[in-house]
Amino acid sequence: GESVGLHLPTLSVQEGDNSIINCAYSNSASDYFIWYKQESGKGPQFIIDIRSNMDKRQGQRVTVLLNKTVKHLSLQIAATQPGDSAVYFCAEMGDYKLSFGAGTTVTVRA
Amino acid sequence: GAGVSQTPSNKVTEKGKYVELRCDPISGHTALYWYRQSLGQGPEFLIYFQGTGAADDSGLPNDRFFAVRPEGSVSTLKIQRTERGDSAVYLCATGTSNTGELFFGEGSRLTVL
Repeated sequence: GESVGLHLPTLSVQEGDNSIINCAYSNSASDYFIWYKQESGKGPQFIIDIRSNMDKRQGQRVTVLLNKTVKHLSLQIAATQPGDSAVYFCAEMGDYKLSFGAGTTVTVRA
Repeated sequence: GAGVSQTPSNKVTEKGKYVELRCDPISGHTALYWYRQSLGQGPEFLIYFQGTGAADDSGLPNDRFFAVRPEGSVSTLKIQRTERGDSAVYLCATGTSNTGELFFGEGSRLTVL
């Protein structure tokens, strides 16, 4: 499943498929980006980060891609599992503080 | 505990009352942030502490909001003369140095009637 375009608020994905969550950022001077996952009733949880001198970074089942030319960030989740159901936020770090985007709600279908 | 602890988890108050929300950070974390999250929205920055001092309070919406961290550990967010529009989840996050890896508490849900 993929949230096509700059940002969609919801994404439904079949269990076992790959998920792609997109995010556009506004500040061209931003040099540090982070993805957070927020489950219902909990605080956001760090997933992965990337600095502007990189265009790709991989973690466990997750990959973050950064396209500075179009100010676009994406999070790819491989083999999506039911536990991946949550709201995903991209965030920019600037002046020692995080600025969060609107979030994408991912629902995993069994 | 090992994580960021926030109390109370839920607070219901009446318009015009004063409330305090507490954050116990992870031991050793010098950076502490307060965020506010409304339903369906991303967290919105309020204030950032580095140690005891408020390094950036530009996100506080008005002078009814104030936060302290007197000993560089526990922080309290104080809201005077609460309004219905203050209803939200108030999140505390802590971290070390200038990193985007912040550790969030579960938040204090404030409801102003």
